[in-house]
Amino acid sequence: QITLKESGPTLVKPTQTLTLTCTFSGFSLSTSGVGVGWIRQPPGKALEWLALIYWDDDKRYSPSLKSRLTITKDTSKNQVVLTMTNMDPVDTATYYCAHSFGPDGLGGWGQGTLVTVSS
Amino acid sequence: QSALTQPASVSGSPGQSITISCTGTSSDVGGYNYVSWYQQHPGKAPKLMIYEVSNRPSGVPDRFSGSKSGNTASLTISGLQAEDEADYYCSSYTSSFYVFGTGTKVTVL
Repeated sequence: QITLKESGPTLVKPTQTLTLTCTFSGFSLSTSGVGVGWIRQPPGKALEWLALIYWDDDKRYSPSLKSRLTITKDTSKNQVVLTMTNMDPVDTATYYCAHSFGPDGLGGWGQGTLVTVSS
Repeated sequence: QSALTQPASVSGSPGQSITISCTGTSSDVGGYNYVSWYQQHPGKAPKLMIYEVSNRPSGVPDRFSGSKSGNTASLTISGLQAEDEADYYCSSYTSSFYVFGTGTKVTVL
């Protein structure tokens, strides 16, 4: 059974850096083809892709947010970390991590964590 | 990299069939067979319903089907049921990354 869980601060101040950790079980990020992605959803709005990291350490980023994002993995700990710099109130959203089992499709999702950006 | 275009809302009566469209360009939907669909109930995480245009993950009812023609992908729900009322999002691969659709609220009348 694949499970994922996001953890990190629920409140950050504008200009601060957000660090979120995705801890997963039921799969290995050293398995060929596997990846972990980060997606966010502002309240009442649509989903938005943020970043994706693959088993071979290939990293992909949203073109519009690339300068602010860094994704890393720790295979031994079954964790993926996303950092987003220079947070702004418009970045207030529920942040999800999800399991990518191939070139398409996120088969397992975490419960999401709501991050509020406010002074 | 613009979001894929979906109708804001689609509705149908129980037992009917509905289709949700997802329109992109030749750089995303039209260029790759990597279109997936997600169902999201209020306050819940999304759930994968279709991947690679028309493949259903294990456990997804066969009432859900996907297709693609040109730059438009579609999700069809046959035999609409009350529990199908949710938001639906498409996603497509595009130039080394991915993009979601604008989302469609499905209402069961």
